[in-house]
Amino acid sequence: AQSVTQLGSHVSVSEGALVLLRCNYSSSVPPYLFWYVQYPNQGLQLLLKYTSAATLVKGINGFEAEFKKSETSFHLTKPSAHMSDAAEYFCAVSDLTGGYNKLIFGAGTRLAVHP
Amino acid sequence: NAGVTQTPKFQVLKTGQSMTLQCAQDMNHNSMYWYRQDPGMGLRLIYYSASEGTTDKGEVPNGYNVSRLNKREFSLRLESAAPSQTSVYFCASRQGASDTQYFGPGTRLTVL
Repeated sequence: AQSVTQLGSHVSVSEGALVLLRCNYSSSVPPYLFWYVQYPNQGLQLLLKYTSAATLVKGINGFEAEFKKSETSFHLTKPSAHMSDAAEYFCAVSDLTGGYNKLIFGAGTRLAVHP
Repeated sequence: NAGVTQTPKFQVLKTGQSMTLQCAQDMNHNSMYWYRQDPGMGLRLIYYSASEGTTDKGEVPNGYNVSRLNKREFSLRLESAAPSQTSVYFCASRQGASDTQYFGPGTRLTVL
């Protein structure tokens, strides 16, 4: 079965600093990978996704992620953090085990942005 | 276009009570999902439905039942609520494995 590991349950950065949220997946076949963001008391919304096209994927709000097959990683970055980026971020991988279509989520990383 | 809707938004139950969480989507998606979210554990899949008329257990199905009423609606039932089922429940839908999964706003459930 697929699994996703997000390194760091909490990340804190200064406004204007680089944001780097780490995600590693386990997969024996090229996966579909996703990053979702959850703002307080809301549902999850898609930031970006990798579906075997370009390895550098650009998403909303200035975020991007790079698929690295050799490292089984899909880290999320943003060059300059904004206060509004404070939220919880989830990495996910599609699991097609048994012919069914499921998303497997990491435990999440809570991003804090301080002035 | 409302996307994925869930009712109720909040619910407080006593141990042993039953209730049904409702979910509907208007995007004509085949697949629908129920997750629970607990602090530090991400989202865990309770049940899913790959298409109308089919349902399958996810990672944490014990204590829950589901019904895929039609293509639009997928309900989650707690027959005898327990404090361990205190959580935030999310319904989601999507079409294919490479497609975006859309989430509802969640139901915050407390079992006393």
